Amino acid sequence: EDQVTQSPEALRLQEGESSSLNCSYTVSGLRGLFWYRQDPGKGPEFLFTLYSAGEEKEKERLKATLTKKESFLHITAPKPEDSATYLCAVQGGDTGGFKTIFGAGTRLFVKA
Amino acid sequence: DAGVIQSPRHEVTEMGQEVTLRCKPISGHDYLFWYRQTMMRGLELLIYFNNNVPIDDSGMPEDRFSAKMPNASFSTLKIQPSEPRDSAVYFCASRPGLLNNEQFFGPGTRLTVL
Repeated sequence: EDQVTQSPEALRLQEGESSSLNCSYTVSGLRGLFWYRQDPGKGPEFLFTLYSAGEEKEKERLKATLTKKESFLHITAPKPEDSATYLCAVQGGDTGGFKTIFGAGTRLFVKA
Repeated sequence: DAGVIQSPRHEVTEMGQEVTLRCKPISGHDYLFWYRQTMMRGLELLIYFNNNVPIDDSGMPEDRFSAKMPNASFSTLKIQPSEPRDSAVYFCASRPGLLNNEQFFGPGTRLTVL
């Protein structure tokens, strides 16, 4: 069964304190791993798609990396506006088509 | 572009009543998805459409749930009869096409069934 596990559940950082969020996945035939950002009361906002181990993508202070078993979202020198819930999701062979399995998310709090 | 539009934004109803949630995808997008988000189960895919045709409805919890997409610019998710355990935030998302993996989410409808 396809599965996505994110850790930690919540992370509190001081402004400027870099850290990483983890996404462990189990899927047969990964066809895409996605990172989304969700602000309270809003829908998820797309950040990145990663397709194969070794791939990396960057956007401002965020960098996503992918191995065969997990993905990391690195946050460099975060600012208070980076506070949000970060969701990881996968599409794979067992799910079929474009069915996407989401993790429970990591709630990030960045204090000024 | 206004993005994905959902209505209503909030719905409060009593157990046993019919509830209809509405979604207008981004113009030109070929795929439409309905999700449900709860604290306990997170974000779950209910059903998705490709060119107005339902492709995978394996996430629809039971026969009380139904979804339609009569045309490229409109979709509905109906719950009849509603139950308290259906209380959740329901999101609609659309995706441009086969080669673009990005899903654009609407603001969601917060449903409370009393």
